[in-house]
Amino acid sequence: DVKVTQSSRYLVKRTGEKVFLECVQDMDHENMFWYRQDPGLGLRLIYFSYDVKMKEKGDIPEGYSVSREKKERFSLILESASTNQTSMYLCASSTSAVQTQYFGPGTRLLVL
Amino acid sequence: QKEVEQNSGPLSVPEGAIASLNCTYSDRGSQSFFWYRQYSGKSPELIMSIYSNGDKEDGRFTAQLNKASQYVSLLIRDSQPSDSATYLCAVRGDNYGQNFVFGPGTRLSVLP
Repeated sequence: DVKVTQSSRYLVKRTGEKVFLECVQDMDHENMFWYRQDPGLGLRLIYFSYDVKMKEKGDIPEGYSVSREKKERFSLILESASTNQTSMYLCASSTSAVQTQYFGPGTRLLVL
Repeated sequence: QKEVEQNSGPLSVPEGAIASLNCTYSDRGSQSFFWYRQYSGKSPELIMSIYSNGDKEDGRFTAQLNKASQYVSLLIRDSQPSDSATYLCAVRGDNYGQNFVFGPGTRLSVLP
């Protein structure tokens, strides 16, 4: 079974703090993705990565950065958290061959 | 502009009935189509994938694809209250790389 884990299920941070969200997959997938999901707006792609040290902007990269130093780990960084970054953050991974994306359990982030 | 559209619902069906969920997409180059189920507060989980025109059945679920009309649907036979969830349609096209475009989701409610 594919397993994608995320470092926290719930997180509360203050405005201006630097926030790290980590995602780990155990299936040797090449591709990893970060989404945020908000009511009425659906799933929106923030960043994705096709390989170690590779990253590409998604639809809403502003205010975020990512790091992929190892194949199994993809980190999302909020450099200076703001209240409008309160959301559910979902990580996903896939192989290039199969294409199906598998999701982690999500991190619900509240920025006060 | 890559778009995937779904009726947001809620779609209410009685227990035991057939639930029909529809999705249309704008990019004719789309190649792969996926249905995800998402329970409230949880992450999306894959139900079905379909790549060629026609029907694909898996248990109580049938995915139908019509590329000429640019729609994909999901039928759930013998609907159960446990099927109550939001169903997300996802589309991958030639120009998307490994990215999906997700629809906004249809909320299904199966009434006992």
